[in-house]
Amino acid sequence: GESVGLHLPTLSVQEGDNSIINCAYSNSASDYFIWYKQESGKGPQFIIDIRSNMDKRQGQRVTVLLNKTVKHLSLQIAATQPGDSAVYFCAETPTGFQKLVFGTGTRLLVSP
Amino acid sequence: EAGVAQSPRYKIIEKRQSVAFWCNPISGHATLYWYQQILGQGPKLLIQFQNNGVVDDSQLPKDRFSAERLKGVDSTLKIQPAKLEDSAVYLCASSLGRMKGGVTNYGYTFGSGTRLTVV
Repeated sequence: GESVGLHLPTLSVQEGDNSIINCAYSNSASDYFIWYKQESGKGPQFIIDIRSNMDKRQGQRVTVLLNKTVKHLSLQIAATQPGDSAVYFCAETPTGFQKLVFGTGTRLLVSP
Repeated sequence: EAGVAQSPRYKIIEKRQSVAFWCNPISGHATLYWYQQILGQGPKLLIQFQNNGVVDDSQLPKDRFSAERLKGVDSTLKIQPAKLEDSAVYLCASSLGRMKGGVTNYGYTFGSGTRLTVV
């Protein structure tokens, strides 16, 4: 089927490598950030979130880092697997709102 | 727990025709969102409902798009008349509408979307 993000930046890694996906967000007042994974033909799927009063949060094989000084988020995936292949989006919520503002996605390709 | 249901999955129409999409959110979720995702881009919010009231429709092209959420549950999004640039995936999402202790991400959940092609 047709894929999401045919013209997105692409990160290609080997299975077992660690992956780092970066995102610049736009609103210095945003207080909540989320990383989503989107596979072809599916809606975005929650991976991990972080509030603005934190600079690091860890999940299972994933870590999110937040640098508010330069308005930068990163997603680290440890021991990347072929099933991690997808488009990854960061999203921010402006203070007091629940709507999500999505950044430009990154396509992750994992080779066996 | 059942997810966010959307239909149809795919729709192909000619420009100037009308089309409607349906969304059934997760039970108990007060807030419902419609997003438009153009190929190669992140989703963009079109409209947000809190129960059956509109919270934000600032990015909804109101000359051709309309949405309603009768009884604060299901929602429909309509485009009339469609243009070529409306070709996109239309995503519905729902959330608890407020942060609750122990609930990550406001419970924010997306459906699989409706892929619209306007020819």
